[in-house]
Amino acid sequence: KAGVTQTPRYLIKTRGQQVTLSCSPISGHRSVSWYQQTPGQGLQFLFEYFSETQRNKGNFPGRFSGRQFSNSRSEMNVSTLELGDSALYLCASRKNRQDNEQFFGPGTRLTVL
Amino acid sequence: AQSVTQLGSHVSVSEGALVLLRCNYSSSVPPYLFWYVQYPNQGLQLLLKYTTGATLVKGINGFEAEFKKSETSFHLTKPSAHMSDAAEYFCAVTENSGYSTLTFGKGTMLLVSP
Repeated sequence: KAGVTQTPRYLIKTRGQQVTLSCSPISGHRSVSWYQQTPGQGLQFLFEYFSETQRNKGNFPGRFSGRQFSNSRSEMNVSTLELGDSALYLCASRKNRQDNEQFFGPGTRLTVL
Repeated sequence: AQSVTQLGSHVSVSEGALVLLRCNYSSSVPPYLFWYVQYPNQGLQLLLKYTTGATLVKGINGFEAEFKKSETSFHLTKPSAHMSDAAEYFCAVTENSGYSTLTFGKGTMLLVSP
């Protein structure tokens, strides 16, 4: 069974640009969560999607948004990039929202110059 | 609200020595607790988890952890470190309803010397 995949693995952008990251969950998993990992703040929850609806949201500005498609694939978008958005963005999937175990992808490393 | 504290951002051990990574949590409801490992340029891999039942939990690669409610702790141990254990380890907590999200500690980098 294929794991969680994230594309692209690496991205370099400049301030003010926007970026879209993609996550394909494990087949049959319907919940997708996004996390931001930085050296200073550690791992922080961004949002969770289930059945194409955002179910939980972390404490991030509105520049961070996401969506989920009918096949459970998810994208997150960051607009008006800032230097502080440089991070590893991790996607995690679980079969249903009540499942306690999440499976993580390899992440997308975003560098903002 | 939940929180996780991992004592020590770096822990150094010699190969063959005991590994002890500390994790204390705060939760207003009964928690589920997890340990994840992250190797360079990779995502998080689940080592073990505590949900209900036995408080001593065994995981992959010889790791185990004990849930101690009275101490609000979930420390990770391994009797004998191997060079391949060098990685960053994260403790995480979630509410036992399963609908909540993971709250992570800041992580502990384990360094293993020959």
